[in-house]
Amino acid sequence: DARVTQTPRHKVTEMGQEVTMRCQPILGHNTVFWYRQTMMQGLELLAYFRNRAPLDDSGMPKDRFSAEMPDATLATLKIQPSEPRDSAVYFCASGSTGGAENTEAFFGQGTRLTVV
Amino acid sequence: AQSVTQLDSQVPVFEEAPVELRCNYSSSVSVYLFWYVQYPNQGLQLLLKYLSGSTLVKGINGFEAEFNKSQTSFHLRKPSVHISDTAEYFCAVSEPLRGTSYGKLTFGQGTILTVHP
Repeated sequence: DARVTQTPRHKVTEMGQEVTMRCQPILGHNTVFWYRQTMMQGLELLAYFRNRAPLDDSGMPKDRFSAEMPDATLATLKIQPSEPRDSAVYFCASGSTGGAENTEAFFGQGTRLTVV
Repeated sequence: AQSVTQLDSQVPVFEEAPVELRCNYSSSVSVYLFWYVQYPNQGLQLLLKYLSGSTLVKGINGFEAEFNKSQTSFHLRKPSVHISDTAEYFCAVSEPLRGTSYGKLTFGQGTILTVHP
């Protein structure tokens, strides 16, 4: 069945290292969202894309985070250099614009990042 | 700007009892409203949504919610809960912007529902 796939599911890394998280949206979906979940801040929108173009990345720390969509089947979220405060679960979600039936964002299972 | 307040961080309840999880929102424009459920170590799954029309919305797993515009609330209810309903529940809002999907969400802080036998 159609689902959003995120890899890796878990990542432990040392402070200062580069981290890349990947997301495969549901085939045919043209919008992709990145969310971060922490105990303190809850679920926050980091960035989102429509038709592979970034529409809003105001929720993302610009100095160390970057998000891209190299093609329609892959979205990446990169942190360089990583810091302990980046430890969180990162969710990708995809959806489709237009049409009354396209009224839901589908979430992946998340990447749990631990920076030590 | 929008905000969502889930009034209870934790709700313990016994199996087969009714439950209500409360959600209030603040927005200067009309919004769409959603409830998501998150099971441990899982992503978020949509329970139900209000876009327009009838203010009583029925979702999956026997849940329903009522949109109250005057009170800016969207409380989630279930008449009889099961052990398997134990999870964290998130209320969320989005703006009905033209040309965008319904994934640009502002979430509440979540309510942990624990169903005891």
